[in-house]
Amino acid sequence: DGGITQSPKYLFRKEGQNVTLSCEQNLNHDAMYWYRQDPGQGLRLIYYSQIVNDFQKGDIAEGYSVSREKKESFPLTVTSAQKNPTAFYLCASSISAGSSYNEQFFGPGTRLTVL
Amino acid sequence: SQQGEEDPQALSIQEGENATMNCSYKTSINNLQWYRQNSGRGLVHLILIRSNEREKHSGRLRVTLDTSKKSSSLLITASRAADTASYFCATASRISGNTPLVFGKGTRLSVIA
Repeated sequence: DGGITQSPKYLFRKEGQNVTLSCEQNLNHDAMYWYRQDPGQGLRLIYYSQIVNDFQKGDIAEGYSVSREKKESFPLTVTSAQKNPTAFYLCASSISAGSSYNEQFFGPGTRLTVL
Repeated sequence: SQQGEEDPQALSIQEGENATMNCSYKTSINNLQWYRQNSGRGLVHLILIRSNEREKHSGRLRVTLDTSKKSSSLLITASRAADTASYFCATASRISGNTPLVFGKGTRLSVIA
């Protein structure tokens, strides 16, 4: 059963804490992405990775960090430097480099709430 | 840097009617994609139309692309309550496939039974 999984579905964080959101795919895709979505808004790109051990900042990378040590995994850490982290986070993947020419496959999302 | 802008922001129609959503963009594209998002879920790819195509169909979906006007439209025919969702357009840069897709803010469609 191929696809993208994100965990957890809901996450609560106290102010000042770092949290890590998991994203795993078994589609054998090279490219992976993290987006943030605020209520009633579109998607804003946080980070993306076209290949293992390489990643680039998106439009709103401040306060976030990522790693891409394995092809299947692209975890996102929301650090305490992110001042307004409450949002819905979506992970996606695409088949290859030149990946924007192809469709993206999305995970179910993680809703992060800062208490 | 959101390039695609959907119009209208929200649309409410009766079941059986057609729904039309529009997307405008600013720069040259390789392709334009439409996605659907049910509330609280991830996005699902609906259709991709390349810059050299003018129209594409998939089931009850019809997408048009006018590169001279930098605009696209998504038509859902004979809408159903299950079509209630947000719909997003996303553009792929003509310059480089390594430039990520840019998503618009979406159109929220409500289909009333």
